[in-house]
Amino acid sequence: DTAVSQTPKYLVTQMGNDKSIKCEQNLGHDTMYWYKQDSKKFLKIMFSYNNKELIINETVPNRFSPKSPDKAHLNLHINSLELGDSAVYFCASSQVAGLDTQYFGPGTRLTVL
Amino acid sequence: KNEVEQSPQNLTAQEGEFITINCSYSVGISALHWLQQHPGGGIVSLFMLSSGKKKHGRLIATINIQEKHSSLHITASHPRDSAVYICAVTPNTGNQFYFGTGTSLTVIP
Repeated sequence: DTAVSQTPKYLVTQMGNDKSIKCEQNLGHDTMYWYKQDSKKFLKIMFSYNNKELIINETVPNRFSPKSPDKAHLNLHINSLELGDSAVYFCASSQVAGLDTQYFGPGTRLTVL
Repeated sequence: KNEVEQSPQNLTAQEGEFITINCSYSVGISALHWLQQHPGGGIVSLFMLSSGKKKHGRLIATINIQEKHSSLHITASHPRDSAVYICAVTPNTGNQFYFGTGTSLTVIP
């Protein structure tokens, strides 16, 4: 059973489009995260939710909007995609925010043309 | 300047060698994490520590809070250890993560 799953694995789209990436965890964790890994492989946190409540919201363009319908799901919606949004996006979860082992999804490679 | 610095950036070792990867940070922390990113892209959490030392198999992680420094050691390295190792910290000022730029390790048979 996959602990943290993301869909899709690959996403290729045109500039200006709107797209969503879905994340689900079956570990019963309270906290979920979205990370962006750029072309230089540098990881950066984007958002963190704890029990469906936003607790970390880094300096991310407001074209990015996370949505957590329940504590097992944290989706990422991106409006008006730009070339610079091309990256690998990782979802992760942990029981306690920042103070517990994180479990990562397989990543979604987004390519904006 | 990044809050977390790792060294070396790249490391090549012969199979069987003892490997050390270093991580220094500039903020007060609640916890430090070591992550492993496989060549295929998947990320696995290896350790989370806030003091002392932890061991899992051939991997050992240590942290010195006073010196703001952590090391990840791999004993009897093996080609399957080839990966990028990433250090991250949870600062004690709030919910946040700061990541190092990673150390790319290649172990040659």
